[in-house]
Amino acid sequence: LAKTTQPISMDSYEGQEVNITCSHNNIATNDYITWYQQFPSQGPRFIIQGYKTKVTNEVASLFIPADRKSSTLSLPRVSLSDTAVYYCLVGDYNAGGTSYGKLTFGQGTILTVHP
Amino acid sequence: SQTIHQWPATLVQPVGSPLSLECTVEGTSNPNLYWYRQAAGRGLQLLFYSVGIGQISSEVPQNLSASRPQDRQFILSSKKLLLSDSGFYLCAWSVRFRATNEKLFFGSGTQLSVL
Repeated sequence: LAKTTQPISMDSYEGQEVNITCSHNNIATNDYITWYQQFPSQGPRFIIQGYKTKVTNEVASLFIPADRKSSTLSLPRVSLSDTAVYYCLVGDYNAGGTSYGKLTFGQGTILTVHP
Repeated sequence: SQTIHQWPATLVQPVGSPLSLECTVEGTSNPNLYWYRQAAGRGLQLLFYSVGIGQISSEVPQNLSASRPQDRQFILSSKKLLLSDSGFYLCAWSVRFRATNEKLFFGSGTQLSVL
């Protein structure tokens, strides 16, 4: 069972770069790592997904070391609107490598961006 | 493009009353479907997921049930609501054929208050 561990909360200021790390020691060979953002009273929104090394899109970057036991979401130059909860998600598969479609969220990291 | 519809947006129900929340997905076929619940200030709890019509996996034994009568329809039900059923209920879908690369797309959620 692939579980994730993230810091409960983080604080930052506008214009700074924010790095949120997720630990997933039991990640399976075929698992991808996916990050979501959630605002109050809304469903989570996909941010970025990766398998290894580095992935970058228009919103964020995702750094994954060679052992894949952790990953870091990097948000460049955050603004007040980036205040949200960020979830790291790793797929859960049976021993045969076939997905049951079971995607379990951890508690997430509450990011607060201050003026 | 794919869209997900979830209703109602808010619901206030007395203890002991029945519940039916409906979710439909458009623009895709054979999706994985999910029901999550989020208590105030907490992370997302996976309740049910389905990889096909009539195939329901339950993660939390409780008084809730789920059904998938059609490929793109997912229903969450209860015969008698408890106070502890209050929360923010989210329906989600993911692409089925690339199991290792699943991305979740969430509905707008239902805020349920059981009084």
